[in-house]
Amino acid sequence: ELKVEQNPLFLSMQEGKNYTIYCNYSTTSDRLYWYRQDPGKSLESLFVLLSNGAVKQEGRLMASLDTKARLSTLHITAAVHDLSATYFCAGNNQGGKLIFGQGTELSVKP
Amino acid sequence: GAVVSQHPSRVICKSGTSVKIECRSLDFQATTMFWYRQFPKQSLMLMATSNEGSKATYEQGVEKDKFLINHASLTLSTLTVTSAHPEDSSFYICSPTLPGDTFGSGTRLTVV
Repeated sequence: ELKVEQNPLFLSMQEGKNYTIYCNYSTTSDRLYWYRQDPGKSLESLFVLLSNGAVKQEGRLMASLDTKARLSTLHITAAVHDLSATYFCAGNNQGGKLIFGQGTELSVKP
Repeated sequence: GAVVSQHPSRVICKSGTSVKIECRSLDFQATTMFWYRQFPKQSLMLMATSNEGSKATYEQGVEKDKFLINHASLTLSTLTVTSAHPEDSSFYICSPTLPGDTFGSGTRLTVV
């Protein structure tokens, strides 16, 4: 059964710094997703990664996928306060079910 | 992308009462709807999968008699929390047939 683990679970960054969130998964997953969740809100889809070596970028966020290592990363470049949120990765279990990581609570401070 | 409308966004109910949450797919036909629950400061956990015209599939540990799911049409799936208790207080989110692409806006349930 698919298990997804993120680290770190909490991340306090200074504006302008770079950092990476890691997402390890235990078995084969068709896709790897990254989401953002603001307090009290639902999920906002950030990236869907479909194949080994896939890299996607949007603004200061870049996601990558290494299916051999069963690892996905979300890299944050030159963080700004607006990026403060909780970030989740998720993989597909059989039947299309999503299995989520624990989430990484990101706080970007001036 | 697909649009899902979820209502209500917030509900407060008394212990022992029932609450219905609706998810409507506005621009496509959803043969399947996934229902997730998120406790404060925790991740999302799949509760059940509703299928249009057939019985829902519940995940292990989820009481099917307590969380009634109905998927009567291709555009509407409902989750009814029956005899709600304070421990049912949570954030409930639906996601349609295209897993991972679209989520409802969520329902914050508080049972007092």
